[in-house]
Parts: sequence; structure tokens; C-alpha cells
Amino acid sequence: GAVVSQHPSRVICKSGTSVKIECRSLDFQATTMFWYRQFPKKSLMLMATSNEGSKATYEQGVEKDKFLINHASLTLSTLTVTSAHPEDSSFYICSARTTLRVDTQYFGPGTRLTVL
Amino acid sequence: EDQVTQSPEALRLQEGESSSLNCSYTVSGLRGLFWYRQDPGKGPEFLFTLYSAGEEKEKERLKATLTKKESFLHITAPKPEDSATYLCAVQPADSWGKLQFGAGTQVVVTP
Repeated sequence: GAVVSQHPSRVICKSGTSVKIECRSLDFQATTMFWYRQFPKKSLMLMATSNEGSKATYEQGVEKDKFLINHASLTLSTLTVTSAHPEDSSFYICSARTTLRVDTQYFGPGTRLTVL
Repeated sequence: EDQVTQSPEALRLQEGESSSLNCSYTVSGLRGLFWYRQDPGKGPEFLFTLYSAGEEKEKERLKATLTKKESFLHITAPKPEDSATYLCAVQPADSWGKLQFGAGTQVVVTP
């Protein structure tokens, strides 16, 4: 149980294009999902908190117009990187917080974004 | 300000050589402390949640303990497949579920 998937696992795009990453909780409902970014050999940096049916809450320093988050259902959240630039290249990971074990976040496998 | 510090940064063990990883924290009201394992290029895998001082949890060769200021992850008789980065995270009481992660300890177990 508590499986979270992400799609795609890897994406390469040209500078200026937009990329959408999906995060799904496969066997549970998640009222809250989180989006993280991880640089090589660094720990996870929280970007935003996504609550089903409401606007995402962004951490300080994260551009909400660049990183669009939508949490349309209890099992799906999406992160869209708009007008991507090479500095947006990173490993993006989502997590989902279960309604059964409210204090536990389960993580997806991550999406490697490379912007050329 | 909430802080999570993990030590050591890296640990190289021989198979069967037990050791402990440390996670020290300062937080205004701890709701939970979490341990995750992360393999290269993968998302973190949940291991344990600890809620109160004195609590212990075990899973195979791993045992996590918690005091008011720190948590230890003990690896008993490790195998090469235990090689990974181990992440500690705290959830402050007023954080609305957010986690603050430490930098991690990279563990390499050699045969």
C-alpha cells in the first residue's frame, strides 16, 4: 500500500517550452501533496504544498508563475514548469500525505528534468 | 529556527560491521520524526515514524530510536543492499504537515 507514481520519469525539453509532471497516489486518497526539488548530492527542498480543490501554497523564493501546481482530485496533482530554462534542470519529487496516517508522506520515484 | 543535522555525512562499512547514524534536531514542538532511505535517482522510501522520546521501531536490520534532541538509526550487520542515503526529517507541530529534511548520510556497505 501507499504507492505514489510520477510521470514522466525523465524528460528533456528545449529552453522556453513548458513541461507537465504528474503525481498520482495509486492506492489511497491524498488531500495533500507536496512538491520537492533535489539538486545533486543535496537534500530535498520543499517547493510547494498542494491541497485538493484549493490553491497551492508556495515556499519562500519559489516562483508560483513559473511552477504551476494543480491538485484537481484526491489522487492527482500536477506540476507544470513554464518557459523552462537550463537552471530549472533538476530532480523533481512529489509526495502524498495519506488521510489514514496523516503524519506520513509517501514519495514518488521522481522526475529528472533536463532543459537544453 | 527549526534545524535538522545529520552525521556523519558519509559512512563506509564492511558487510557485517554494525554502526549508527545520528540525526539531531531543534524544533518548536515535534509532531513526528521520520527516516527515509533514498537510492540514487529514486524518490525516498519511507522507513519509520517516531512520535515521542523513548520510542523505538525496527525493520529487518534497521532500528530507529528517539530522544528529545536526537534520533539514531542503528544498522545491525549491514549487507551491501543496505547501501543508500538515509534521510531524517522532522515535522514541527505547526507546520501543516511539512517536513524539514536533514542533508542525509550516505552509507556504502562493501562485501
